[in-house]
Amino acid sequence: KNEVEQSPQNLTAQEGEFITINCSYSVGISALHWLQQHPGGGIVSLFMLSSGKKKHGRLIATINIQEKHSSLHITASHPRDSAVYICATRDDKIIFGKGTRLHILP
Amino acid sequence: DTEVTQTPKHLVMGMTNKKSLKCEQHMGHRAMYWYKQKAKKPPELMFVYSYEKLSINESVPSRFSPECPNSSLLNLHLHALQPEDSALYLCASSQDPSGAYEQYFGPGTRLTVT
Repeated sequence: KNEVEQSPQNLTAQEGEFITINCSYSVGISALHWLQQHPGGGIVSLFMLSSGKKKHGRLIATINIQEKHSSLHITASHPRDSAVYICATRDDKIIFGKGTRLHILP
Repeated sequence: DTEVTQTPKHLVMGMTNKKSLKCEQHMGHRAMYWYKQKAKKPPELMFVYSYEKLSINESVPSRFSPECPNSSLLNLHLHALQPEDSALYLCASSQDPSGAYEQYFGPGTRLTVT
């Protein structure tokens, strides 16, 4: 069974800081999701990656298949980025990490 | 249209009630999912429908009964629930169940069992 580990569990930063959230997994996968969930809210899919790097606005996601590791970066962070960020691996099933709670202070 | 809709947004029900949660997508997706999420925990997979047929049941108690009447609709029928079933219930869909396509999530139904 795939184990998905995220770090850090919690992160508080000042507005404008560069944010990195890490995700490691234990077995080969077909793809990896990065998801965002605001308090009390539904889940938004940010990226689905199977190799390399993707960018959308201030968000960048990278994946290293050989090292079984992915990172989510947020540039010029803003209080509205405060949310839980969840990494999930995709194969025949989706396996979620425990999430990283991000809080950006104004 | 990349939206998955869920109704109702909130539901309060007693342990003897019967209620249903509804999920709809019009993206032509052939895989649909029900998840349960407790506070400060990641979602847990409950059921997967693949081409309108139940393909995965993650040992969910029979008081939860899924139904897929057509390719756009997914229901979750609830009966004789327990207070510990109170949670956010999320629906999702993807183009197919293979894992090659991302899942799109609905906003969830927050269920409280009294």
